[in-house]
Amino acid sequence: DVKVTQSSRYLVKRTGEKVFLECVQDMDHENMFWYRQDPGLGLRLIYFSYDVKMKEKGDIPEGYSVSREKKERFSLILESASTNQTSMYLCASSRVYEQYFGPGTRLTVT
Amino acid sequence: AQSVAQPEDQVNVAEGNPLTVKCTYSVSGNPYLFWYVQYPNRGLQFLLKYITGDNLVKGSYGFEAEFNKSQTSFHLKKPSALVSDSALYFCAVRDKGDDKIIFGKGTRLHILP
Repeated sequence: DVKVTQSSRYLVKRTGEKVFLECVQDMDHENMFWYRQDPGLGLRLIYFSYDVKMKEKGDIPEGYSVSREKKERFSLILESASTNQTSMYLCASSRVYEQYFGPGTRLTVT
Repeated sequence: AQSVAQPEDQVNVAEGNPLTVKCTYSVSGNPYLFWYVQYPNRGLQFLLKYITGDNLVKGSYGFEAEFNKSQTSFHLKKPSALVSDSALYFCAVRDKGDDKIIFGKGTRLHILP
């Protein structure tokens, strides 16, 4: 079975802090994705990566950056957290068709 | 541009009755279509996909979905609902040649005992 893990299930940070969310997949997938999920808005794509050191902006990249130094790991960085970044963050990976998701990180910025 | 619509925010079904969760899509080319389920405080779980071939696809937990090209729909169905099917369901579409999947806003399914 594909396994996608995320570094934290719950995280509380203060406004202005730099926040790192880590995602690791164990199936040698080329593609990895970061989404945020908010009630009534569904999933919105922040960034994705189709190879090591490659990244593409999704629909809502503002305020975020990403890093992919190794194939199995994709990090989401909030350079200066703000309260409007309070959300559920979901990481996913894929090879050909469907995406496989991690359990999510619920981030609260106070 | 790709888009997907789930017209119902919530669907209520009595246990044992058949259920349908609706999805329509728009893509410029031929679509790949997916259904995912999300249980509380969890990530999304893949249920089934349509890539090509038979219009009726079967997936996990007894779910199935029918691809209808003329109506651009991909409704999720199950013949007999279980209380444990209560969850949030997402339809998603991907255009061939694109790595990105577009998700609908989700439909909350309540199965009433």
